[in-house]
Amino acid sequence: QKEVEQNSGPLSVPEGAIASLNCTYSDRVSQSFFWYRQYSGKSPELIMSIYSNGDKEDGRFTAQLNKASQYVSLLIRDSQPSDSATYLCAVNGAAGNKLTFGGGTRVLVKP
Amino acid sequence: NAGVTQTPKFRILKIGQSMTLQCAQDMNHNYMYWYRQDPGMGLKLIYYSVGAGITDKGEVPNGYNVSRSTTEDFPLRLELAAPSQTSVYFCASSPGTANYGYTFGSGTRLTVV
Repeated sequence: QKEVEQNSGPLSVPEGAIASLNCTYSDRVSQSFFWYRQYSGKSPELIMSIYSNGDKEDGRFTAQLNKASQYVSLLIRDSQPSDSATYLCAVNGAAGNKLTFGGGTRVLVKP
Repeated sequence: NAGVTQTPKFRILKIGQSMTLQCAQDMNHNYMYWYRQDPGMGLKLIYYSVGAGITDKGEVPNGYNVSRSTTEDFPLRLELAAPSQTSVYFCASSPGTANYGYTFGSGTRLTVV
């Protein structure tokens, strides 16, 4: 079992719709959780971090964490063509000194 | 403020050659990391450092070496390059533990032929 798993996609959503991305992790004592956006040929860019159960909203992005079920999700509201990218889920384990990344979900927003 | 600077951006190596990928950060971050990303895949940790003079192996360290003599610099050395090392290499840094998330450099695209 991979430590951090994501559906590779592509997730195709119409412009203006909500994109929903999911990520599961295996280390039950993981401390912190991150979503990175990566455009093709570019480096990952941090867009959301979440540390406790529940929802965290930042603009059009909402991160959701459920530690009991070991999953973290990202919602992108009012999706725009500029949101087309690969979204990487990253998890910080018990040691707290390094992130483990999922394989990424490719999102395509169609006008 | 340059952030995390990686050089070179692109490089083609022949099998058996060696090279050093440079990484420097100007944010006074203690933690630094090297990841590789193969096409269509996520990031795999090669080596990391929690401070000057301290380094540790990640998930895929074979074929690589690192050193951390200063807070600012964290070079990655490839010895005897192999086609399996063809990848995009990202350096990243964090101010403390990884709980802060990372700042990434722009990457080095390496091809071994």
